[in-house]
Order: sequence, then C-alpha cells, then structure tokens
Amino acid sequence: DGGITQSPKYLFRKEGQNVTLSCEQNLNHDAMYWYRQDPGQGLRLIYYSQIVNDFQKGDIAEGYSVSREKKESFPLTVTSAQKNPTAFYLCASSIGTEETQYFGPGTRLLVL
Amino acid sequence: GENVEQHPSTLSVQEGDSAVIKCTYSDSASNYFPWYKQELGKRPQLIIDIRSNVGEKKDQRIAVTLNKTAKHFSLHITETQPEDSAVYFCAAREYGQNFVFGPGTRLSVLP
Repeated sequence: DGGITQSPKYLFRKEGQNVTLSCEQNLNHDAMYWYRQDPGQGLRLIYYSQIVNDFQKGDIAEGYSVSREKKESFPLTVTSAQKNPTAFYLCASSIGTEETQYFGPGTRLLVL
Repeated sequence: GENVEQHPSTLSVQEGDSAVIKCTYSDSASNYFPWYKQELGKRPQLIIDIRSNVGEKKDQRIAVTLNKTAKHFSLHITETQPEDSAVYFCAAREYGQNFVFGPGTRLSVLP
C-alpha cells in the first residue's frame, strides 16, 4: 500500500468552490476506488473505476465527480453541490475488482 | 444489497488478554471477508482476510473465523499489546460486487 499516494493531506474548501483530491498509484492496479469516512462510521463508496476511461457511481456519488484518464491516476472533485463535504477521503486500489483493496494515506477535507 | 453489522463498537481489554470482534452479514452470496486496522489519522491496513471456502485462518496473534451458516465472522487477537489499539473494520463482498464495510470497533489495550 506504500505505492498509493494522496494529496494534499489537508484541504480547505470555501463555500461554492470545487476542489480536487489527487490519488496516484504505481502498483499497476486496474481498479481504483474513492471512499468517504465520517467519524464513527464505516467507509462509504463514492466512485470506482475498473479500467481506464471507465468509472461507476458508488453509494454516495451525488456532489462528486471523477475521471480516469490514466491507469495510475483517479482524481476526485468535490463540487459545490456537495453540501456537507467535511470528511476523511480515502483512495484505494486493487489488481482487479475481486482482489484485496489497498488504501492511500487519505485527505482530510475541511470547510472554511 | 449487503449489510454488515459489527460489534462491539468499543472494546477495552487489559494488555495480554484476548479481544474478539464480531461481524454479521446479510447476503449469503458474499464470499470474501477482509479485516482492516486503522490507527488514528492513518490509512486502513489489511491485517487478515478469509474466503468462504475456509472456516478459519491464523497469522501469529491474529485469527479470523467464518460461520457461513450463521453469516458471521470474527476477528480474534490474542496476547494483546498497546500497539494493537486502533479501529478495526470488517468488510464483506460478493463476487462481482463492491465491498461493504462495517462501522468499526475501537479497541483500546490498557497497559
């Protein structure tokens, strides 16, 4: 899991602003995922991608968007439509969707 | 869809004692069950996993048991140490579907 990086570690968003969280992996994994973690709760799936140029909505996709233009990269944009964006965001990857997921270090998003 | 419950939500044990965390799942088609450990502010890390064709798996002080009939699986940590203090998450996945995570158990190992 040391091959998955996320940046920045902390991100501050102003009201009405879109912000983008970076996720990069050098593990040659096909599948990548974005999760949201709120205090005292489990991980909830936002979006996932099984292959380059393809992605699917997860359980809580509203107010978020993603792209998968390169195998190594899966950026997440938190749009102004997401009214409660304060959370810890975790990116994960796996060799395929049937394999174990490995997580990045996370980005903590705070609203100013 | 799949639903995963996890108990207890918090657990305190004395150093050297054992800790057991239990998860129940709803979808009998789920076939893969990983456990993750997450220290404060850090990433979840896989500590052990089990597939539905196996009833038990051990790795040093950590073991996982699976009861497919009752649809539950448990994490067992023996000889607990202060560095075992963390939040532990279970997850379940059916083939072709995404993981569903439990809400987590905060384990505190008291010296």
